[in-house]
Amino acid sequence: EIVLTQSPATLSLSPGDTAILSCRASQSVQIYLMWYQQKPGQAPRLLIHDASNRASGIPARFSGSGSGTDFTLTISSLEPDDFAVYYCQQRYQWPPLTFGGGTKVEI
Amino acid sequence: EVQLLESGGGLAQPGGSLRLSCAASGFTFSRYAMSWVRQAPGQGLEWVSSIGGSDGSTYYTDSVKGRFTVSRDNSKSTLYLQMTGLRAEDMAVYYCAKGPIATHPYYFESWGQGTLVTVSS
Repeated sequence: EIVLTQSPATLSLSPGDTAILSCRASQSVQIYLMWYQQKPGQAPRLLIHDASNRASGIPARFSGSGSGTDFTLTISSLEPDDFAVYYCQQRYQWPPLTFGGGTKVEI
Repeated sequence: EVQLLESGGGLAQPGGSLRLSCAASGFTFSRYAMSWVRQAPGQGLEWVSSIGGSDGSTYYTDSVKGRFTVSRDNSKSTLYLQMTGLRAEDMAVYYCAKGPIATHPYYFESWGQGTLVTVSS
C-alpha cells in the first residue's frame, strides 16, 4: 500500500499569502496524484488531478506540480474561502486508493 | 449538473447491518465508475469501495472485505453499499463519489453530501 505523507499538518497564513503544501509518497506514483479541498461540514472537492491538471471550475490560483514521490499544491494569493483542509490522493497503485492525512490551512 | 444524494445512514448496533444508497443525476450513470469514501469523526478520508460502470467490477479496502458489498442499478442510476458485521471503527460519514471514466475509479470528480453511520450499542 502506498502511504502519502502531507506536510505541514497546519499552515497558518493570511489572505493574500501564498500557500505551499507538500505531499510525499512512500514510493513513486509517477504523476498519478490528486488534490482535494474540504471545508468544515462539506464534502471534499477535487482541485487537481494527475499532479497538475486543474479540475473543472477551479481557479488558476490553485496549481499542482511534482512527479515520482514529491508533490506540491500551491495556492497563490489566498482568499478567505481558501482556508480549509487539503488532501492528496494517489491512483498509481490500487486497490487501495489512498489519501494523505491532510493539511489544514488556517488564518 | 452532477448530483449525488446519499441516504440510509443511521444508528446500528455492533454486528448489525445498514444499506446505503446514492441516487445520481445529471450524467449518464452507467458510463462512470462509482465509489464510497468515508470519513470518521475528526479524521481524514478513507477509500472504502468502488464499482465499475459497465462490467460491474468491484473493489474493496481490506478492512471491509467480506463484510461490505457494493452494487449498482444502472436503470435507477443508484449506487448501493450493503454493510454487515458493523464495527465501531466503521462509524463515519460515507460519501458517494463519481469517477472520471467507466472502467476504474481512479479519483473522485464529484461527491455527495454524505450520510452518517453511527455504530453503537
